[in-house]
Amino acid sequence: EVQLVESGGASVQPGGSLRLSCAASGFTFSSYALTWVRQAPGKGLEWVSTIGGSGGTTYYADSVKGRFTISGDISKNTLYLQMNSLRAEDTAVYYCVKGLVKFDSWGQGTLVTVSS
Amino acid sequence: QSALTQPRSVSGSPGQSVTISCTGTTSDVGGYNYVSWYQQHPGKAPKLMIYGVDKRPSGVPDRFSGSKSGNTASLTISGLQAEDEADYYCCSYAGSHVVFGGGTMLTVV
Repeated sequence: EVQLVESGGASVQPGGSLRLSCAASGFTFSSYALTWVRQAPGKGLEWVSTIGGSGGTTYYADSVKGRFTISGDISKNTLYLQMNSLRAEDTAVYYCVKGLVKFDSWGQGTLVTVSS
Repeated sequence: QSALTQPRSVSGSPGQSVTISCTGTTSDVGGYNYVSWYQQHPGKAPKLMIYGVDKRPSGVPDRFSGSKSGNTASLTISGLQAEDEADYYCCSYAGSHVVFGGGTMLTVV
């Protein structure tokens, strides 16, 4: 059974940094693309970033490009999202998701709040 | 990276059918057969309902079906049931990125 467990969400001030983690199990970590999707309170889903199964290819939404960095540690089966220069509009539940062209497994999400 | 266009809300009675549209461009919906649909109940993570335009993951009832014509994809739910009441999001691969629709609230009245 695929399991994705996010952690690292917190309340942070504008301009601050945060690193989210996603512990993956139940599938071969290096064989699948992994993605971060976020959902602001009361709003819709927004794709944030994807890393290819090999870890060599990364994609970013324009809204986070240059501020967020996605990475993966195959030895730990863990996906990360380093978030810098955080803004109020980054406030959201961040989901770790397996896949790129189809998101077939989702974590439970971790809440990031950016506020002074 | 503009969001795909979905109706804000749709409604139907138990047993009826409803269709939710999802309009994009030739750069996303029209350019790839990688449209997927997600169901989200309040406070829960989204669930994959349709992928590759018209494919159903195992466990998803065959009441759910997907299609595409040009730049518009559609999700049809037949034989509506109370538990189908939820938010639905379309999603399309777009080459170097992925784009979601704004979401459609389905009410079963």
